[in-house]
Amino acid sequence: DAGVTQSPTHLIKTRGQQVTLRCSPKSGHDTVSWYQQALGQGPQFIFQYYEEEERQRGNFPDRFSGHQFPNYSSELNVNALLLGDSALYLCASSFGTGGIKTQYFGPGTRLLVL
Amino acid sequence: LAKTTQPISMDSYEGQEVNITCSHNNIATNDYITWYQQFPSQGPRFIIQGYKTKVTNEVASLFIPADRKSSTLSLPRVSLSDTAVYYCLVGDRGSGNTPLVFGKGTRLSVIA
Repeated sequence: DAGVTQSPTHLIKTRGQQVTLRCSPKSGHDTVSWYQQALGQGPQFIFQYYEEEERQRGNFPDRFSGHQFPNYSSELNVNALLLGDSALYLCASSFGTGGIKTQYFGPGTRLLVL
Repeated sequence: LAKTTQPISMDSYEGQEVNITCSHNNIATNDYITWYQQFPSQGPRFIIQGYKTKVTNEVASLFIPADRKSSTLSLPRVSLSDTAVYYCLVGDRGSGNTPLVFGKGTRLSVIA
């Protein structure tokens, strides 16, 4: 059983560009959450998708948007990239009505904005 | 959400027991204490959760005193592979759709 997978593993973009990151949840999971982790910091919650809708959102600007597909996979889109968007982007999948232990993180996508 | 304070870093030799303490002076009555582990280039992983006294699983033990204003994660006989960042989170028991709130964590380095 594959765990949470993310693609790509690394990405380099320039300021002003747009980026799309992808996440495939663990089998049986229906909820996907995205986190941003800057160097030396803990992960920060961006938003969460369930039933193809954004259900919860952290303190991130509208430049950050997402999507969830019928197969529960998800995309994170960031527009008008800033240098400060350089970070590790983590996807976590879970079974929404399960316990906190059902939240599993993927290995992340490391984004560098030049 | 209760604010947590942890040491920024700790060093330990292989085979030693490591205790990482987290302070959470304004913990609420309904709050639980949850610890996560994050290896380099990986996402965080749930280790253990507790409400009071002591909880033990195959990975670690969690000690919570009666006043619940602090907690201690205990890792028995650490090995090099325990080198990671450990996060203490305080909040409700949580579910599969609870957004997790991480601080900076404690960077544990295990030395041979």
